[in-house]
Amino acid sequence: EVQLVESGGVVVQPGGSLRLSCAASGFTFDDYAMHWVRQAPGKGLEWVSLISWDGGSTYYADSVKGRFTISRDNSKNSLYLQMNSLRAEDTALYYCAKGMGVVITGDAFDIWGQGTMVTVSS
Amino acid sequence: SYVLTQPPSVSVAPGQTARITCGGNNIGSKSVHWYQQKPGQAPVLVVYDDSDRPSGIPERFSGSNSGNTATLTISRVEAGDEADYYCQVWDSSSDHPLYVFGTGTKVTVL
Repeated sequence: EVQLVESGGVVVQPGGSLRLSCAASGFTFDDYAMHWVRQAPGKGLEWVSLISWDGGSTYYADSVKGRFTISRDNSKNSLYLQMNSLRAEDTALYYCAKGMGVVITGDAFDIWGQGTMVTVSS
Repeated sequence: SYVLTQPPSVSVAPGQTARITCGGNNIGSKSVHWYQQKPGQAPVLVVYDDSDRPSGIPERFSGSNSGNTATLTISRVEAGDEADYYCQVWDSSSDHPLYVFGTGTKVTVL
């Protein structure tokens, strides 16, 4: 079964740091780009970041650029999001998602995890 | 930055057709993807590359894209189609390319 399972979400103080993880199974992880997408409570979807199959290319939303770092370990079938200088507006459910094809641009996201909740609050 | 505009809500009776629009500048030149999200669940891809359906998605879901508007059409609407729907594109028009989601449309089945 193709599956993505996120972990690492907690309550953290403003200015703090956190690392999210996403464990992949059921597909050849290093064949695909991977993404992080977030959803603030009661709000819509916001794309956060993407990483190419080999980790050689990364892109970020303006709202997180310079604070968040996406990475992957293909030997462990795992995706990560290092989140620094956290703000209240980063509070959201964070999903990891698999790119559908081999390209990293213009791709659809065909598999999603169930998400992990990050709350930034003092 | 690139903006995708969707109507906040669409209401439709069972058996009828729901049309959800996604407006963006020259969106017809981009590949549009559509996601369905039911309450408390992760999004599900229902249409990709304007009009293709992933395996397991009913033929009742179809898409089109031209000019400044992309449209997701749900034919013969069922109660189980009640959900939020989001369009998505890749915007490479600036020196900072990124993915963009639409504002979302809540479909209510009357």
